Amino acid sequence: TQLLEQSPQFLSIQEGENLTVYCNSSSVFSSLQWYRQEPGEGPVLLVTVVTGGEVKKLKRLTFQFGDARKDSSLHITAAQPGDTGLYLCAGAAAGNKLTFGGGTRVLVKP
Amino acid sequence: EAEVAQSPRYKITEKSQAVAFWCDPISGHATLYWYRQILGQGPELLVQFQDESVVDDSQLPKDRFSAERLKGVDSTLKIQPAELGDSAMYLCASSLTAGGTYEQYFGPGTRLTVT
Repeated sequence: TQLLEQSPQFLSIQEGENLTVYCNSSSVFSSLQWYRQEPGEGPVLLVTVVTGGEVKKLKRLTFQFGDARKDSSLHITAAQPGDTGLYLCAGAAAGNKLTFGGGTRVLVKP
Repeated sequence: EAEVAQSPRYKITEKSQAVAFWCDPISGHATLYWYRQILGQGPELLVQFQDESVVDDSQLPKDRFSAERLKGVDSTLKIQPAELGDSAMYLCASSLTAGGTYEQYFGPGTRLTVT
């Protein structure tokens, strides 16, 4: 069974601060996706990383895939209240199956 | 922009009753997934369809849950009888193909409360 562990589970910061969320596994994934989910809604895909060592930027969000394709991180610069939500990482394996991490709940206070 | 549709958005039912959820994936998406998400946790896969065929239902409690995708387009997930522990968000997702980067697109979910 492939497991993805996210840390921290909960993060509360002030507007303007930076934050990093980690996603770790002992398994290798062919790709890894990051989602953000707001209360009462479905997850929304933010980014997919495929290549080991890959870095992708989406405005103030920076995503990195580990060289061995076992881990990933999400860094948010100058967080805003609109960044509040549940951040989920999900690793893709054979058969188009995603394994989700437990999520990191981020609260950005104004 | 194409979206995954789900209905109903909210459902309250009493234990031992039957309940059904519907999902219409993005047009052209061959792969459809049903997930269950307990509050504050990540989604867990219940069943995966490729067109009309089930390719993974290893985590589906088959004594009470059933899923179908008869024409390979929309899908229904049923619970009978519902139990208190079934209270959760039920999410449907779809993806274009069985290969590639496996990007899945989620619907808004159905929040089920069993009383």
